Amino acid sequence: AQSVAQPEDQVNVAEGNPLTVKCTYSVSGNPYLFWYVQYPNRGLQFLLKYITGDNLVKGSYGFEAEFNKSQTSFHLKKPSALVSDSALYFCAVSSRGGKIIFGKGTRLHILP
Amino acid sequence: DTGVSQDPRHKITKRGQNVTFRCDPISEHNRLYWYRQTLGQGPEFLTYFQNEAQLEKSRLLSDRFSAERPKGSFSTLEIQRTEQGDSAMYLCASSPGPTGNYGYTFGSGTRLTVV
Repeated sequence: AQSVAQPEDQVNVAEGNPLTVKCTYSVSGNPYLFWYVQYPNRGLQFLLKYITGDNLVKGSYGFEAEFNKSQTSFHLKKPSALVSDSALYFCAVSSRGGKIIFGKGTRLHILP
Repeated sequence: DTGVSQDPRHKITKRGQNVTFRCDPISEHNRLYWYRQTLGQGPEFLTYFQNEAQLEKSRLLSDRFSAERPKGSFSTLEIQRTEQGDSAMYLCASSPGPTGNYGYTFGSGTRLTVV
């Protein structure tokens, strides 16, 4: 069975600093990995995905994620944080194109 | 087409009542998914359809839950004899094909409160 772990409930970063939100996964076979963001009172929005190819994936709003097969990780990154990036971030994994399993989420606070 | 629509946005019901939620996916999307999200947790998978066929159902889903997708278009999720533990946000998502190629598009959800 596939699973995702997000070890941090909350991450605080000063505006303008780089940010990292951590994610590790477990899945049989090749993973399909995703990051989603949830703003207050709004649905989940797709940020980026890794299916195959380059280990560094670029997505929406300047976010990127690095796939590391040996460490089974897929950390979300951004070089310079904005206050508007404050939200709830979910890492997710799918096996063989079936259902997506989500982590419990990490709340990102960007401090002005 | 403006996205995935869910109705109602909010539902308050008394314990023991039945409730039904509706999801209208993006029109060309053949896959439709239902998830449940409680406060402080990530979305939990409930079930999914490809066209009108229900392909998978979570063991989390008790016999009180049923979902349908007649004609492969909109879907309904019914909860019978609601319990307080059913209080959650119910999310619907759709995709044009397997999730390896496509991410999901989510609706805004239906928030259920059982009193």
